[in-house]
Amino acid sequence: ETGVTQSPTHLIKTRGQQVTLRCSSQSGHNTVSWYQQALGQGPQFIFQYYREEENGRGNFPPRFSGLQFPNYSSELNVNALELDDSALYLCASSTRTGQETQYFGPGTRLLVL
Amino acid sequence: GDSVTQMEGPVTLSEEAFLTINCTYTATGYPSLFWYVQYPGEGLQLLLKATKADDKGSNKGFEATYRKETTSFHLEKGSVQVSDSAVYFCALFFSGTYKYIFGTGTRLKVLA
Repeated sequence: ETGVTQSPTHLIKTRGQQVTLRCSSQSGHNTVSWYQQALGQGPQFIFQYYREEENGRGNFPPRFSGLQFPNYSSELNVNALELDDSALYLCASSTRTGQETQYFGPGTRLLVL
Repeated sequence: GDSVTQMEGPVTLSEEAFLTINCTYTATGYPSLFWYVQYPGEGLQLLLKATKADDKGSNKGFEATYRKETTSFHLEKGSVQVSDSAVYFCALFFSGTYKYIFGTGTRLKVLA
């Protein structure tokens, strides 16, 4: 069974740029959630995708957007990067019926200069 | 609004000491409760969960009981090991909105 994978592992961008982060869900999982974890903080829910549609959203502006593909992999896109976007971005997958148990990837660490 | 409060760390213990990490929550509904652990350089891993009041979750010697009357879900372990050194997160999950709310995490350091 393949776990959740994310790419890239690290990324450095400058303010105003755009970034795309990628996530491959665990085999058999059809739901993907994205989280932002600032240094020393807990993960903050960004949004969730189920069957290629956004299924819920946290308190993040529209410049945070996402996609889910037919194979249930997902992308997180962030436009007009700001310094405060520097964080660890976590992807978690689950099944629709077992959403309470999420399996997390190792994360992508984004630094915005 | 809904929230989770964890005791601040770091918590530093000697090997074989007893561990308690406090977690209390505020919720308008009836969430499921979780403890996740994050080892250095790794993603979050589910440690244990409880889905209703008075349920006890347990795993790897860790335990936590869903206390609705005190809105708490404290994590305990009778004898910690150096390998338990990690950051521990308490979290709520609401099945109606499919939303997780995490606490800020408590760093545990276990000394040999």
